Amino acid sequence: NAGVTQTPKFRVLKTGQSMTLLCAQDMNHEYMYWYRQDPGMGLRLIHYSVGEGTTAKGEVPDGYNVSRLKKQNFLLGLESAAPSQTSVYFCASSYSGTPGQYFGPGTRLTVT
Amino acid sequence: GNSVTQMEGPVTLSEEAFLTINCTYTATGYPSLFWYVQYPGEGLQLLLKATKADDKGSNKGFEATYRKETTSFHLEKGSVQVSDSAVYFCALQNAGNMLTFGGGTRLMVKP
Repeated sequence: NAGVTQTPKFRVLKTGQSMTLLCAQDMNHEYMYWYRQDPGMGLRLIHYSVGEGTTAKGEVPDGYNVSRLKKQNFLLGLESAAPSQTSVYFCASSYSGTPGQYFGPGTRLTVT
Repeated sequence: GNSVTQMEGPVTLSEEAFLTINCTYTATGYPSLFWYVQYPGEGLQLLLKATKADDKGSNKGFEATYRKETTSFHLEKGSVQVSDSAVYFCALQNAGNMLTFGGGTRLMVKP
């Protein structure tokens, strides 16, 4: 049981490049989330999904897109990376109606 | 809207000292409250939780009590260890499973 895994762990992009972050969970959770973590600001929700094939915007969705084609996977895409997207990205998952979320180890992204 | 306010860090303590990290919240309804811990280079781990007023969450010697009258959920530990050095996040969860986080408090424990 691996829990929540994220790929890759580190990435450096140039401004304007695109990339996709992959999150996978093996706990059969309905809900999945993408957060970004910036110094002094805690975690902010980017997008989330309440089930396969559904996604919704969180607090800071601009510049990101997501897809949930399979229940166990949640992809975060950056179509044209900007330096302001330099951050640590965390994926999380949870059961619906159950308090608490399970977090992945994070992806550190640097955009130069 | 929902918000969580934590004391700013870093908090620096000597081993075996008493720890308090303050957390207050603003929310509609009756949220669940959490403390998460993030060790260096790792993701967030759930430390403890409380789902209703007057509940006390506890784990690994840490505890926090859900105080609705003061909208607080302060984290305490009677005797910290060097291995407790980490960043601690207070969070609330309302209907819809969404978490709202505080800004985090870095704890450094010196031998």
